[in-house]
Amino acid sequence: GAVVSQHPSWVICKSGTSVKIECRSLDFQATTMFWYRQFPKQSLMLMATSNEGSKATYEQGVEKDKFLINHASLTLSTLTVTSAHPEDSSFYICSARDNRGHGYTFGSGTRLTVV
Amino acid sequence: QQQVKQSPQSLIVQKGGIPIINCAYENTAFDYFPWYQQFPGKGPALLIAIRPDVSEKKEGRFTISFNKSAKQFSLHIMDSQPGDSATYFCAASKGGAAGNKLTFGGGTRVLVKP
Repeated sequence: GAVVSQHPSWVICKSGTSVKIECRSLDFQATTMFWYRQFPKQSLMLMATSNEGSKATYEQGVEKDKFLINHASLTLSTLTVTSAHPEDSSFYICSARDNRGHGYTFGSGTRLTVV
Repeated sequence: QQQVKQSPQSLIVQKGGIPIINCAYENTAFDYFPWYQQFPGKGPALLIAIRPDVSEKKEGRFTISFNKSAKQFSLHIMDSQPGDSATYFCAASKGGAAGNKLTFGGGTRVLVKP
């Protein structure tokens, strides 16, 4: 089956620093990947759609200058949280759609804590 | 506008019981309806999915029922086990291009007591 690898699984950073999260499709090519944010006991909130070789499409209310997305290849998308602040602490999850079928496969998530 | 409404928010059943989770959608262009299971600290994992041309689909102990006219679909977990205790999300998307995004329901926390 399709596998999406996400790293790191958790990260603690100081306020004002930047953090990069990687999302890789291991056994398929993903022209499109999705980035979500999830607060405790809540549903997944789509932040942006990452398109290989082009600019990401951000959802309304998501700061594109704060959450930088790069999709440099068909198997890798990265999310960089710039100048992180405590309110950015959350669970970030990536997803890719397997073009061989119809399913959306999710990464294991990254717990970001900004102190 | 919440396009996929999920209920209940939480559910407690005894082992062997059948938790039932319901979802309703608004956008008639949706044509793919998956259910995901999520354990704490993990990403969602696909359980089962259905398209609107069928009314029911079973995979192991998980069954989806789909009512196109009512724009509703539900998940039944047969012979539930304590290991099924997790948060379940329904979702919907439009088919076609790979860029079509999933719209999630609010989630249901299921607790199966031994």
